[in-house]
Amino acid sequence: GENVEQHPSTLSVQEGDSAVIKCTYSDSASNYFPWYKQELGKRPQLIIDIRSNVGEKKDQRIAVTLNKTAKHFSLHITETQPEDSAVYFCADPNFGNEKLTFGTGTRLTIIP
Amino acid sequence: DSGVTQTPKHLITATGQRVTLRCSPRSGDLSVYWYQQSLDQGLQFLIQYYNGEERAKGNILERFSAQQFPDLHSELNLSSLELGDSALYFCASSVGSNRNQPQHFGDGTRLSIL
Repeated sequence: GENVEQHPSTLSVQEGDSAVIKCTYSDSASNYFPWYKQELGKRPQLIIDIRSNVGEKKDQRIAVTLNKTAKHFSLHITETQPEDSAVYFCADPNFGNEKLTFGTGTRLTIIP
Repeated sequence: DSGVTQTPKHLITATGQRVTLRCSPRSGDLSVYWYQQSLDQGLQFLIQYYNGEERAKGNILERFSAQQFPDLHSELNLSSLELGDSALYFCASSVGSNRNQPQHFGDGTRLSIL
């Protein structure tokens, strides 16, 4: 099936360091950009989202930035902790016509 | 707890069989979405219902069908099951029909085809 471009596919980060995951969206008319976290064997959970009228949104150690010129948005996690280990998915609401399409996912591993 | 309820949690069946997965959305949500997640794969959108009507369709096989009932719960029917249908099936719900809003996921149904 179709998926939104997301990089990297895997990421290992030393505990306490920062992690950045990038997602490229397809349509300049897109106006909603969510990030979901899925721990092993669990359901995806929305952790942060941003609308196109702002360039950045922050929630404690998590932030999302939006670059409308380059058509990508990024998830930033600072001061990473072991519980941040999970698969992270972005989503593009305008990819592939009338459906919210998820990225291929990034498996983040925090090394203690 | 997301407020989205999926049953059963696990389902084991054989090839050629038919199963029904059930989803109750969060209170107040009118949209229900179904996704398939195979091992180490991403989330593949199957279908969306809004207030009882089909709203959007993804890569859903003809052997699969879904519906949303007047009480807003939804069922996903999978028939003539094949080994490749083994996967986690998630249901999600949102308030409106617009895809530009948060989706709340249930805990999923793990389907194993033997």
